[in-house]
Amino acid sequence: GNSVTQMEGPVTLSEEAFLTINCTYTATGYPSLFWYVQYPGEGLQLLLKATKADDKGSNKGFEATYRKETTSFHLEKGSVQVSDSAVYFCALLPSGGYQKVTFGIGTKLQVIP
Amino acid sequence: DTAVSQTPKYLVTQMGNDKSIKCEQNLGHDTMYWYKQDSKKFLKIMFSYNNKELIINETVPNRFSPKSPDKAHLNLHINSLELGDSAVYFCASSPPRGGFIEQFFGPGTRLTVL
Repeated sequence: GNSVTQMEGPVTLSEEAFLTINCTYTATGYPSLFWYVQYPGEGLQLLLKATKADDKGSNKGFEATYRKETTSFHLEKGSVQVSDSAVYFCALLPSGGYQKVTFGIGTKLQVIP
Repeated sequence: DTAVSQTPKYLVTQMGNDKSIKCEQNLGHDTMYWYKQDSKKFLKIMFSYNNKELIINETVPNRFSPKSPDKAHLNLHINSLELGDSAVYFCASSPPRGGFIEQFFGPGTRLTVL
């Protein structure tokens, strides 16, 4: 079946530090890949996406590249801010028909001033 | 002009009671979902409806029954509530397949069963 593996947090960084949150996946075919972010007390919202191999998704300074050869979609940001403190979910949607999104366990990021 | 709304935001109830959570989306989407998020933030899909038709039904106790009166609404009714039902329940919607499928989430309903 499909699965998403992401690093378990929490991840604590100082402001302006470099962020990497690893995500690898298992799926047949060519799934679409996503990063969702959940701020405290809110629902998830889409952060960025990639729909085919070598695509780079980017938004709000965050980036992730769809790597088919390593089945990875790592999230990076060059300089984190306190406002980036949230839980980050890697997710995949298989291609074809009505499919469900598979989410990773979520990685909590805490950025301290 | 909230995109996906849920009521209530908080729900505290006793074991054995029956309760409902309502969800509405004004995005014109065809597909709606219910997710359960546990205390460790793990997110698990429960149900999905497309144009009022059930298309995904994960292994969920029969006590949980979704109802979609129209494609803009997906309600969740829970019978005989148990302690383990305590969680945050999220409703979501997505546009028709064929384009990019982004899921839009509601703010969640925190259910506490005492």
